[in-house]
Amino acid sequence: QKEVEQDPGPLSVPEGAIVSLNCTYSNSAFQYFMWYRQYSRKGPELLMYTYSSGNKEDGRFTAQVDKSSKYISLFIRDSQPSDSATYLCAMSFGSGNTGKLIFGQGTTLQVKP
Amino acid sequence: DAGVTQSPTHLIKTRGQHVTLRCSPISGHKSVSWYQQVLGQGPQFIFQYYEKEERGRGNFPDRFSARQFPNYSSELNVNALLLGDSALYLCASSLLLDYGYTFGSGTRLTVV
Repeated sequence: QKEVEQDPGPLSVPEGAIVSLNCTYSNSAFQYFMWYRQYSRKGPELLMYTYSSGNKEDGRFTAQVDKSSKYISLFIRDSQPSDSATYLCAMSFGSGNTGKLIFGQGTTLQVKP
Repeated sequence: DAGVTQSPTHLIKTRGQHVTLRCSPISGHKSVSWYQQVLGQGPQFIFQYYEKEERGRGNFPDRFSARQFPNYSSELNVNALLLGDSALYLCASSLLLDYGYTFGSGTRLTVV
């Protein structure tokens, strides 16, 4: 079993739709949870990071962490064609440890005009 | 502000050769990490350096090595290249050890 599981998609939605992206994980020692967006032929770009369970909002993006269920989500409201990319969840173990990030496989999202 | 810069952007090598990839972190960032991303997969952790010391090593063979210089730039070296080493190699830098990593655009290595 992989430490971080992410449905690779692809996921195709119409412009303006609400998108839900999810990851599950098996190691309860993870402390930081991140979402990265990666456009084709580019490096991952950090969208959001969270430390505790609960929701964090930034514009059209909301990150949700449920540590009890070992489940994280990213919601995109009013999706735009420019949101078409691969979305990667990532996790790390926290202070005092290596900053090693464990990534999911990535979900490819296409937003159609 | 300049982001994380990696060189070269593309590289083609023959099996058995050696390759050196270079990374310049964001100014002020002392932590540099290297990742390998195979097409269709998430990045896999190779190394992390913080203040010029190795702080983490992923599950990669000894053919992979790295170092960090006094100016915090870093090199990733891969010896005896195999076809399976073909991938996008990403460098990331951070102020802190734990999170908030900014990635470069990567070096795309093709081994033929």
